[in-house]
Order: sequence, then C-alpha cells, then structure tokens
Amino acid sequence: GAVVSQHPSRVICKSGTSVKIECRSLDFQATTMFWYRQFPKQSLMLMATSNEGSKATYEQGVEKDKFLINHASLTLSTLTVTSAHPEDSSFYICSARDQGGGGSNQPQHFGDGTRLSIL
Amino acid sequence: GNSVTQMEGPVTLSEEAFLTINCTYTATGYPSLFWYVQYPGEGLQLLLKATKADDKGSNKGFEATYRKETTSFHLEKGSVQVSDSAVYFCALSEPGNQFYFGTGTSLTVIP
Repeated sequence: GAVVSQHPSRVICKSGTSVKIECRSLDFQATTMFWYRQFPKQSLMLMATSNEGSKATYEQGVEKDKFLINHASLTLSTLTVTSAHPEDSSFYICSARDQGGGGSNQPQHFGDGTRLSIL
Repeated sequence: GNSVTQMEGPVTLSEEAFLTINCTYTATGYPSLFWYVQYPGEGLQLLLKATKADDKGSNKGFEATYRKETTSFHLEKGSVQVSDSAVYFCALSEPGNQFYFGTGTSLTVIP
C-alpha cells in the first residue's frame, strides 16, 4: 500500500537551532501534502497545506516565517522549524493524499511523525 | 463549518469486552468519514473508511457505519484485545482535501 516516509523520527537539539523534517511519498505522487502538529493527549492540528511548486497555505495562527515549508517535487515536502525554542517541542506529522484518483474519497497516508524536543 | 466530535476518553475495557466509541460530525457537503488509529509513539494509520451514507467500513474486527440521518460514524468492535490499546481518531474529509479530526479517544484494554 501507499507509504509515506518521515525523517527524522526524533530530534533533540538546543534552543535556537533550525530543524528540518522531511516527508516523502514512496510509491505515489502527491501534489499536496499536509503538516500537522500534535500536543500531548490532543488531536492533530493542521498547520499548513504544502503545494508542489507553489507557496504553502498556512492555517490561522501558524507563523509562516517560523515554520518554513518547501514542496519542491511530487514526492517530497520539507518543514523547517527555524530558531526553535522549547515551546516548539511537539510531535509533528506529515501526510499525503494519493493523487491517483478518487478525490476526497482517498484517505491520507501519514508518516510516523517526528518528535521534536528543544532543550 | 466542518467539525468532528468524539466521545471523550480515556476508555478502559477488559479483554473480550464490547467497544463503542461515538463520533458525530458536522459538514457542509457530503464528506467521506474515516477512523484512524495511533499506537504509542507512532503515526496515524487508517483503520477504516466510508465514503457515502449507509456505507459500512470494516477492518480487523472494527466496524463503523456512515449514518447521515444521525450524522454519526460510531466505531465498534465485538471483542477487544490488549493489542487494540491505542488512540482512535474519527475524521472527515470533503472535496478540497483538508481533513478534520476529532480529539481522539484513548483506549486501554486490560487482560
């Protein structure tokens, strides 16, 4: 089945560091990928929609200069947390929808997530 | 607007007990409905889905029926196992791709 690979799975770094998270669709093309953030024991919050070849669409309240998204190809989107601080510590999950057909009936395929810890 | 309301947890059941996790939704159009499962420390996995009214999604003994008249998509399993312990998310999607998730229900099954 469709697989989304997210890397790295865990990052621990010092405050002020920038961290890049990669999201790859391994066996399908995805013109759109999604980035979510999950706080402990809470649901997923959509941060932004990543569009191949164009600017990402950010949800209200998400700082686009803080969370840089690049979707340079049909199989890769990256999220860069710039100058990370302890409050950015969270579980970040990407997802992609197989554009092969089915429209909204196609489920999203999720990566395994990245646990980011900023010291 | 679109939203998903899920039964609050946590839910603790004994092995082989019957499980129901309630989910209701609000949508402006004709959404597809999904249940995702998240095991500890992992990402989300699709458990089952239904794309139109009266459809029943099923997988691994779990079932959910898309009820348009009650705007519900309750998750059920007749006999839970310890390995079913996880967090379950109800979600909807309409054309336009964005998903809306419920807050998740944590299930713990004890032997």
